[in-house]
Amino acid sequence: SAVISQKPSRDICQRGTSLTIQCQVDSQVTMMFWYRQQPGQSLTLIATANQGSEATYESGFVIDKFPISRPNLTFSTLTVSNMSPEDSSIYLCSVESGTSGELFFGEGSRLTVL
Amino acid sequence: GQQVMQIPQYQHVQEGEDFTTYCNSSTTLSNIQWYKQRPGGHPVFLIQLVKSGEVKKQKRLTFQFGEAKKNSSLHITATQTTDVGTYFCAGPTTSGTYKYIFGTGTRLKVLA
Repeated sequence: SAVISQKPSRDICQRGTSLTIQCQVDSQVTMMFWYRQQPGQSLTLIATANQGSEATYESGFVIDKFPISRPNLTFSTLTVSNMSPEDSSIYLCSVESGTSGELFFGEGSRLTVL
Repeated sequence: GQQVMQIPQYQHVQEGEDFTTYCNSSTTLSNIQWYKQRPGGHPVFLIQLVKSGEVKKQKRLTFQFGEAKKNSSLHITATQTTDVGTYFCAGPTTSGTYKYIFGTGTRLKVLA
């Protein structure tokens, strides 16, 4: 299993500003995933963060809007840049177990943009 | 693009009634996973099915993977208030290993 800590747990931000979300895992993992969950919706994969290389973004998400860092095997950050109210969502960090394929999630960061 | 749909979107049941959510993929899946997300919480893994036609049980929960590996179901017998939450199925994307696409989810409310 994996224990994932995310912060901040929630924040209220002004339009046009940027916020960085941190994700810390209690064990070394190859890949970390960032998901977005808009209010009342399902989870959408934003990108896969690989240590030592550029993140891989899914269709509809770009590096300029969601820059990701992965400095080591236990940590990653996701920045939501130049925020607008449409960015109000829960952002979730996730890792894959490596054996069963099970995904473990952090508690999520609930972002409200005014 | 690849899609995973679930029905129903919402379900309200009386405590003690049964509940079923259905998951349908636009593509054949190598496996399917199920997650439960309590209100205000994060998704928690329930189970993974791999084989065509596979059926697995966890106490009152029964999971099934279709013969064509494009659909799945989760059935809860005699629901309890602790079953409240949103149930998601998830399958591997066609674009990469270890990346999962989540279904649209079924939100279950259990009335005591």
